[in-house]
Amino acid sequence: EVQLLESGGGLVQPGGSLRLSCAASGFTFSSYAMTWVRQAPGRGLEWVSGIRGSGVTPYYADSVKGRFTISRDNSKNAVYLQMNSLRAEDTALYYCARGYYYGSGYYLDDWGQGTLVTVSS
Amino acid sequence: EIVLTQSPGTLSLSPGERATLSCRASQSVSSSYLAWYQQKPGQAPRLLIYGASSRATGIPDRFSGSGSGTDFTLTMSRLEPEDFAVYYCQQYGSSVHTFGQGTKLEI
Repeated sequence: EVQLLESGGGLVQPGGSLRLSCAASGFTFSSYAMTWVRQAPGRGLEWVSGIRGSGVTPYYADSVKGRFTISRDNSKNAVYLQMNSLRAEDTALYYCARGYYYGSGYYLDDWGQGTLVTVSS
Repeated sequence: EIVLTQSPGTLSLSPGERATLSCRASQSVSSSYLAWYQQKPGQAPRLLIYGASSRATGIPDRFSGSGSGTDFTLTMSRLEPEDFAVYYCQQYGSSVHTFGQGTKLEI
């Protein structure tokens, strides 16, 4: 059974940093892309960042580019999201999702339950 | 960045009726790399459709997807009580993926 368990969320002041982790199990981790998706309270889904199984060439939404960094450790079956220079608008539930390859792209076939990040003074 | 616009914002229907949800892209979605997700309150999203028209594992055949290029549709042939939720389309044909703003399907 695929399991994705996010951790690392919490309350942080504007301008601060936080590192999210997602521990994966139940599948061959290095064979899948991984993605972070967030959802602000009462709002829709926003794709944040994705990284392929090899870990090369991550991509970011314009709203987080230059502030967030995605990485993965295939030896630990984990993906991370380092978030710097946090803003109030980064407040959201952050989901980790598995990317299933389909041609040259990948869709999100399994999701964690999310970790809440609150940016406030 | 490809912008996805979903319509309507809210759809009010009754169980047994047919639902048609639209997703329009600001530019052509490569190779129909378009997915649909369902989200219920307090739950993570669930994959319904990928590749514009392929149902994910375990998804009932009352759910169907269609479309190509810039216009895509999710259809639910006969609504069940458990189908009332929010639905999102997502394109994954470009390096930066994007979601639509969602359609709320309410009773």
